[in-house]
Amino acid sequence: DQQVKQNSPSLSVQEGRISILNCDYTNSMFDYFLWYKKYPAEGPTFLISISSIKDKNEDGRFTVFLNKSAKHLSLHIVPSQPGDSAVYFCAGYTGGGNKLTFGTGTQLKVEL
Amino acid sequence: DAGITQSPRHKVTETGTPVTLRCHQTENHRYMYWYRQDPGHGLRLIHYSYGVKDTDKGEVSDGYSVSRSKTEDFLLTLESATSSQTSVYFCAISEQISMGYGYTFGSGTRLTVV
Repeated sequence: DQQVKQNSPSLSVQEGRISILNCDYTNSMFDYFLWYKKYPAEGPTFLISISSIKDKNEDGRFTVFLNKSAKHLSLHIVPSQPGDSAVYFCAGYTGGGNKLTFGTGTQLKVEL
Repeated sequence: DAGITQSPRHKVTETGTPVTLRCHQTENHRYMYWYRQDPGHGLRLIHYSYGVKDTDKGEVSDGYSVSRSKTEDFLLTLESATSSQTSVYFCAISEQISMGYGYTFGSGTRLTVV
């Protein structure tokens, strides 16, 4: 049972444009959602998070939006830069066992 | 750096042999985790630890065992490696997860079972 889904395995955008990465979830008990970024041959690194009681969190070029009624969140990157090319994972946290449940990831490619 | 290291970084082993991967932290974090990353599956939890000698299974624990005899070390053992265990393995550490704080991951171990 995939509780966190990222239905787009890949996304390609032009430098300077907006990148929108989507994530859907089924578990309404998630307290927080976190986004991780992963470069090849490296471990994932924390990018941004949002509480389930919020609908938006912003950090520089990165904004995460949460729509609880639709069980959907999205990560916006504006403007996109070539260095943003990476795999992005969304993850949910319920508070049980101190564990994150990850999605399948989206490979973002930012082209010049 | 975050103070988490995985060894080895790369390993090729034969089917049926035992393999142990090591995760070492210098952050004194309570929680440690082993995940595997596979195309189309993302990151899946194998086992995790919430203290010395306290471990529990994740969603893909079959064929794997773990041990944590010290706060800083978390070992993942494949008792008899199979080709389906070819993957990239990530260790992660954490304190209590909260808004703005999650896991810190190691750099990964690429394991190939031939």
